[in-house]
Amino acid sequence: GENVEQHPSTLSVQEGDSAVIKCTYSDSASNYFPWYKQELGKRPQLIIDIRSNVGEKKDQRIAVTLNKTAKHFSLHITETQPEDSAVYFCAATFNFGNEKLTFGTGTRLTIIP
Amino acid sequence: GAVVSQHPSWVICKSGTSVKIECRSLDFQATTMFWYRQFPKQSLMLMATSNEGSKATYEQGVEKDKFLINHASLTLSTLTVTSAHPEDSSFYICSAPTPLSNEQYFGPGTRLTVT
Repeated sequence: GENVEQHPSTLSVQEGDSAVIKCTYSDSASNYFPWYKQELGKRPQLIIDIRSNVGEKKDQRIAVTLNKTAKHFSLHITETQPEDSAVYFCAATFNFGNEKLTFGTGTRLTIIP
Repeated sequence: GAVVSQHPSWVICKSGTSVKIECRSLDFQATTMFWYRQFPKQSLMLMATSNEGSKATYEQGVEKDKFLINHASLTLSTLTVTSAHPEDSSFYICSAPTPLSNEQYFGPGTRLTVT
């Protein structure tokens, strides 16, 4: 089955700086890679996703890059703000999200004002 | 966007009792729903895939006789934790993929505490 590794487990950045979180996956059949933000006690919220036929996707301050050959994908948050503080999870699946998600271990991001 | 609800949002029960958690898709039909469990400061781990009209598919290591799943209709899946023990205390979250979309929508979660 799929295995997703995520690094780092914790990340602290100064407000206004950029944050990068990296994930690797094992199953070359995976073709959909969403990123979720989860605040304490709440459901995961999709913040951005990427399909395997795309190398990069951007939405305002958030971007995701995918390297299919190396089987890794990264989340980039620019101009970080205090409200970006949360736990972020990457995930991988096949059949474009209609199948079960395999989650990474999570990154606790803290933005220092 | 699509809405998935869960009930109850939290429940406290005594060891040895059973607890039922409901997951509903409010504005779309879901032939498949997924049940995840999340322990404090850990990731979401898939427990089982709930299939409307057929048996659930359980992940390795998940006891199907302890975690009963029933997908009664295209908008409702239930997870029953039978003979609950303190180690079953966790955050249980369901999700459902929407038709014609990549995205899976998550329920708000149910926090189960077994005393």
